[in-house]
Amino acid sequence: DGGITQSPKYLFRKEGQNVTLSCEQNLNHDAMYWYRQDPGQGLRLIYYSQIVNDFQKGDIAEGYSVSREKKESFPLTVTSAQKNPTAFYLCASSMGTSGTPYEQYFGPGTRLTVT
Amino acid sequence: QQQVKQSPQSLIVQKGGIPIINCAYENTAFDYFPWYQQFPGKGPALLIAIRPDVSEKKEGRFTISFNKSAKQFSLHIMDSQPGDSATYFCAASEGNFKTIFGAGTRLFVKA
Repeated sequence: DGGITQSPKYLFRKEGQNVTLSCEQNLNHDAMYWYRQDPGQGLRLIYYSQIVNDFQKGDIAEGYSVSREKKESFPLTVTSAQKNPTAFYLCASSMGTSGTPYEQYFGPGTRLTVT
Repeated sequence: QQQVKQSPQSLIVQKGGIPIINCAYENTAFDYFPWYQQFPGKGPALLIAIRPDVSEKKEGRFTISFNKSAKQFSLHIMDSQPGDSATYFCAASEGNFKTIFGAGTRLFVKA
């Protein structure tokens, strides 16, 4: 089955620790995205990558870092510099310039709780 | 100018009713307007999308109405069912791959 995998579904960390969220896709999509979702709010873009070895900051990139070494993988690191890291994190992908660039497919999300 | 304003925040309808969710935008460079459906604890899924060169698009019980001059678009759900209870997000995209999402509408369809 083609799709996006995010792991783990739930993640608990102590304040001050960095944590990395995994995102893998087997849709052969060029573009990948990370969003943060807080209760009662829409999705806010953290980082996005249009192609391997390239990524751009979204609207709320402070305290986060990403890498895109492989087409299939786009891990997100939540650093200790992120002041309010507890949230639901969503990874998405889209075909990019080879197809319909805007239609995004989402993973099931990772709920991160930092105490 | 990058915002997409969505209303209402929440909506309760009876089974068979027609909930309507509205969105407004400012950036005239947006050229793709999708709606996503999200169930609790899951990622959003694309429901239906429209480009600004058409005024209406239907897919099954879901219809998008688009008013380019007013910079508004809306989602109508015909013959709504309890299984349609979810959070709905409108969004808008332009050529740089960025998609701006509305704040979401929590829909509850009473049986």
